[in-house]
Amino acid sequence: GAGVSQSPRYKVAKRGQDVALRCDPISGHVSLFWYQQALGQGPEFLTYFQNEAQLDKSGLPSDRFFAERPEGSVSTLKIQRTQQEDSAVYLCASSLPGLAGFYNEQFFGPGTRLTVL
Amino acid sequence: RKEVEQDPGPFNVPEGATVAFNCTYSNSASQSFFWYRQDCRKEPKLLMSVYSSGNEDGRFTAQLNRASQYISLLIRDSKLSDSATYLCVVNVEGGSYIPTFGRGTSLIVHP
Repeated sequence: GAGVSQSPRYKVAKRGQDVALRCDPISGHVSLFWYQQALGQGPEFLTYFQNEAQLDKSGLPSDRFFAERPEGSVSTLKIQRTQQEDSAVYLCASSLPGLAGFYNEQFFGPGTRLTVL
Repeated sequence: RKEVEQDPGPFNVPEGATVAFNCTYSNSASQSFFWYRQDCRKEPKLLMSVYSSGNEDGRFTAQLNRASQYISLLIRDSKLSDSATYLCVVNVEGGSYIPTFGRGTSLIVHP
């Protein structure tokens, strides 16, 4: 079966440009996460959806970052007025829901490598 | 202070060696724990969950020490193919439970 897919795989943006990153989770996976991974660091949590509901967005670094999952499947992470510090790999992961307080295995997509010039 | 801390390494070991990594976490309310493996320029993949009683999967053993707030990963009989970055993940309570990754420990297994 298909895994998590992300597009584009690479994106080069000029500072100030808006970008949209897409994530297609594994079919049937209710939970969807977005992470930002800088070089040499672990993934940093950005936001979490359960179906179409955005349950936690505490990791979004600024109001320039916005995520949506309107039909509970595909998700889009949008970054407005990109800055150089936004350059990173953006990872999407999906999973089946676990019991309260627990998460099941997360399946990651290959990521989108964003470079802001 | 980061909520989840790992020694970034790299750990350079010969094939066949036994190597162990620790990962400390600061939030005592943390509920679930995992080790993920990430190859260079690839996505993380689950290696194993970490259970309170400790668990083993082939050459890999994971343990949890709640009193001292750390988890460990032991790799026996290292293979060249074990070379990767090992990420620990702790689900930290903060309103909801947020998966919090350490920065990863780099392992290089050489012939």
